[in-house]
Amino acid sequence: SYVLTQPPSVSVAPGQTARLTCGGDNIQTKMVHWYQLRPGQAPVRVIYDDADRPSGVPDRFSGSNSGDTATLTISRVEAGDEADYYCQVWLVTDNHRVFGGGTKLTVL
Amino acid sequence: QVQLRESGPGLVRPSETLSLTCTVSGGPISTYFWSWIRQPPGKGLEWIGHVSTSGSPNYSASLKSRLTMSVDRSRNQVSLSLTSVTAADTAIYFCARDSLRSHHFDSWGLGTLVTVSA
Repeated sequence: SYVLTQPPSVSVAPGQTARLTCGGDNIQTKMVHWYQLRPGQAPVRVIYDDADRPSGVPDRFSGSNSGDTATLTISRVEAGDEADYYCQVWLVTDNHRVFGGGTKLTVL
Repeated sequence: QVQLRESGPGLVRPSETLSLTCTVSGGPISTYFWSWIRQPPGKGLEWIGHVSTSGSPNYSASLKSRLTMSVDRSRNQVSLSLTSVTAADTAIYFCARDSLRSHHFDSWGLGTLVTVSA
């Protein structure tokens, strides 16, 4: 099975840049998608297809994917960005979807 | 804009069957794949499986023997049934719509907490 590895936590001060990573074997060959989860709210897609941003998501959110690591970058971090973030890929062999373990972003 | 709402009992006894429904509004239920995803307390997201109106359901290997998913087009509902539950099945269960491209989730429900306890 394919494993996605995310750091459990990342902390950043307001106004700084947060970089959340998602590691996987040759992940650059897969499309990576990112979701934001806040308690009591529906999860929100913030990046899809490595770097595309849905309408309504601030352009402070961006994504990249190279080698064995995909990265969600949040620029000019705000208090409201504090949440859990999950990466996800599709496995073509069995048409399954896989999530990373999630990263808790704390805004100091 | 499509909206998804999960519903079902919040408490299920061990060894019994967990049954949930996802009601879809504001968009078509056909064409799309509909996934169930769960999050145990304090843990990460786990994709359980998906179903569509046009193909066979596809379940995660770890739950396949206990899972049934179906779509009711007349009611615009997606259902999940998980048999022989244990405390390990305690989780928030989310319904989500698979995007038509690149196999990710473009719409989610709020989720519903299911506790397995005697």
